[in-house]
Amino acid sequence: KNQVEQSPQSLIILEGKNCTLQCNYTVSPFSNLRWYKQDTGRGPVSLTIMTFSENTKSNGRYTATLDADTKQSSLHITASQLSDSASYICVVSAGGATNKLIFGTGTLLAVQP
Amino acid sequence: DAGVIQSPRHEVTEMGQEVTLRCKPISGHDYLFWYRQTMMRGLELLIYFNNNVPIDDSGMPEDRFSAKMPNASFSTLKIQPSEPRDSAVYFCASSFSGISYEQYFGPGTRLTVT
Repeated sequence: KNQVEQSPQSLIILEGKNCTLQCNYTVSPFSNLRWYKQDTGRGPVSLTIMTFSENTKSNGRYTATLDADTKQSSLHITASQLSDSASYICVVSAGGATNKLIFGTGTLLAVQP
Repeated sequence: DAGVIQSPRHEVTEMGQEVTLRCKPISGHDYLFWYRQTMMRGLELLIYFNNNVPIDDSGMPEDRFSAKMPNASFSTLKIQPSEPRDSAVYFCASSFSGISYEQYFGPGTRLTVT
């Protein structure tokens, strides 16, 4: 069964600290993996898209990693800011004839001053 | 570009009433997606279109839900009759080139059915 699991469900950190969010998936055939940031009351915004051959991709203070062998991805946030408070959603695209998107339930991050 | 536009932003209706949600995708995008988001189930893909043609509606929960895309710049999601369990935020998104490519989301419509 195609599944995407994210951990932790929620996280509270102090401003300026780093944090790492996890995404484990069982999706086949794998096409790509995306991380979205969703601010409260807004639609999700794409942070990174990674294909099978990519191990790391950065977008400013956000760095995503992908280990296709263990089917794990992480999103690392460096020097967190209050504006990083949001829900982070991992989405895996199943390719081939399946051609489906499988969504994680998200990690809710709160950055406190 | 103004991005994906959705209307209304908020809708409150009584059970049994018809609800119509509207979406204008980004100009030039050939894929349009309708999503539903709830606390319990997260984001769910309901249906998506390519060049105005429905490609996959397997996520549409029941026959009470229907979606149309009469032209490249407009789509509707209709619920008839509405039920309290339909209360959710409904997002429209569009992309250029396919389901596996980057999607741009609208601000969503928060639907409350009482």
